[in-house]
Amino acid sequence: DVVMTQSPLSLPVTLGQPAFISCRSSQSLVHSDGNTYLSWFQQRPGQSPRRLIYKVSNRDSGVPDRFSGSGSGIDFTLKISRVEAEDVGVYYCMQGTHWPFTFGPGTKVDIK
Amino acid sequence: EAQLVESGGGLGQPGRSLRLSCVASGFTFDDYALHWVRQAPGKGLEWVSGISWNGVTTGYADSVKGRFTISRDNAKNSLYLQMNSLRTEDTALYYCAKDGCSGGSCSLSNWGQGTLVTVSS
Repeated sequence: DVVMTQSPLSLPVTLGQPAFISCRSSQSLVHSDGNTYLSWFQQRPGQSPRRLIYKVSNRDSGVPDRFSGSGSGIDFTLKISRVEAEDVGVYYCMQGTHWPFTFGPGTKVDIK
Repeated sequence: EAQLVESGGGLGQPGRSLRLSCVASGFTFDDYALHWVRQAPGKGLEWVSGISWNGVTTGYADSVKGRFTISRDNAKNSLYLQMNSLRTEDTALYYCAKDGCSGGSCSLSNWGQGTLVTVSS
């Protein structure tokens, strides 16, 4: 199975400042169809996960443009350009290239 | 917009069975693969099982292989998870999720609210 790692696991941030979360996979996430199925999810306290980003860098409908994804191969990054109070929660990366799908351990974002 | 509503959770005894259901609306059900994902209390997300749009292809996490069975009824817009030989470590909130790729499998674009399974004697 593909192992997903994330860093940091805890990220205290100052409102208005940027935040970066790194995600690494144990093998390439490039699918045989040429796509890279790496997604990012946000889980606010007490809520279901919500997808923010799919195929590395595509933002879902309704997701603020302060969220962006980048990367390739095995290394990926989620950036929040200016953190707002509503961004508090746990962020997960997930690979959908290989079954079984696998998630990273999560990065807890809170406000300093 | 896609909506997914899970049911069937509750208290189960070790070694016994439970069946989860998920009813979907707001999208063409038989165009998409579907998945079950669980979250143990205070823990991260774990993909449990997935099924292709036509039910032909299924997959399972090693932790549930041989004990859980995923199925779907496209005529009823419904997804199921038959959970046998329950263990205490199966205690979790179980989410139903729609795949993000039509005709294939690639991501989890929409999630339900979850149904809680507690395994305890």
